[in-house]
Amino acid sequence: DIVMTQSPDSLAVSLGERATINCKSSQSVLYSSNNKEYLAWYQQKPGQPAKLLIYWASTRESGVPDRFIGSGSGTDFTLTISSLQAEDVAVYYCQQYSVTPPTFGQGTKLEIK
Amino acid sequence: EVQLVESGGGLVQPGGSLRLSCVGFGFSFNPHYMDWVRQAPGKGLEWVGRVTNRDDSYTRHYAASVKGRFTISRDDLKNSLYLQMNSLRVEDTAVYYCARDGILGWGQGTLVTVSP
Repeated sequence: DIVMTQSPDSLAVSLGERATINCKSSQSVLYSSNNKEYLAWYQQKPGQPAKLLIYWASTRESGVPDRFIGSGSGTDFTLTISSLQAEDVAVYYCQQYSVTPPTFGQGTKLEIK
Repeated sequence: EVQLVESGGGLVQPGGSLRLSCVGFGFSFNPHYMDWVRQAPGKGLEWVGRVTNRDDSYTRHYAASVKGRFTISRDDLKNSLYLQMNSLRVEDTAVYYCARDGILGWGQGTLVTVSP
């Protein structure tokens, strides 16, 4: 199985500042037949289901604000929130869906400093 | 708009059974792999199992923690996915979500509580 490791486990950022969450996979999630990175990012607020933010490593889901930016390739990926808003407080998960089983990172808790 | 609606959760005693259902709206099940993913209270996301598409012979895969106890099935004509859960354990307590090609985000989940 591909192991997904996020860093840090928790993060406190001031309002309006940049937040960066890293995700490393134990092997490449690039699918060579279509040259796509099979990497997604989710946001989960307390009591709510996980919300899809980013797929194909950098494509924002419809309706997701453009302050959420996904980047990276191969085995190293980053979710950046360019200007933190109060409503961004949540746990964030990365996930690879390139092979069975799809696997998730352990989550990063984002708080306001 | 893609939507997945899970149902069938509830309270069951250890050793009991439940059958979960997931209906998809806004897309056709046919070309997609379909998964079940769960989240225990206060924990992260855990993949439970997958059924591939018709082209890949509806092959089933399971997490080691549920293999031999859970069975996934699908009905593409009804755009539906199922999870038959037998020999339930306390540690199976979780919100269960269905996912398309491994990707979550279109359903609210259904809560399964296994308790004496």
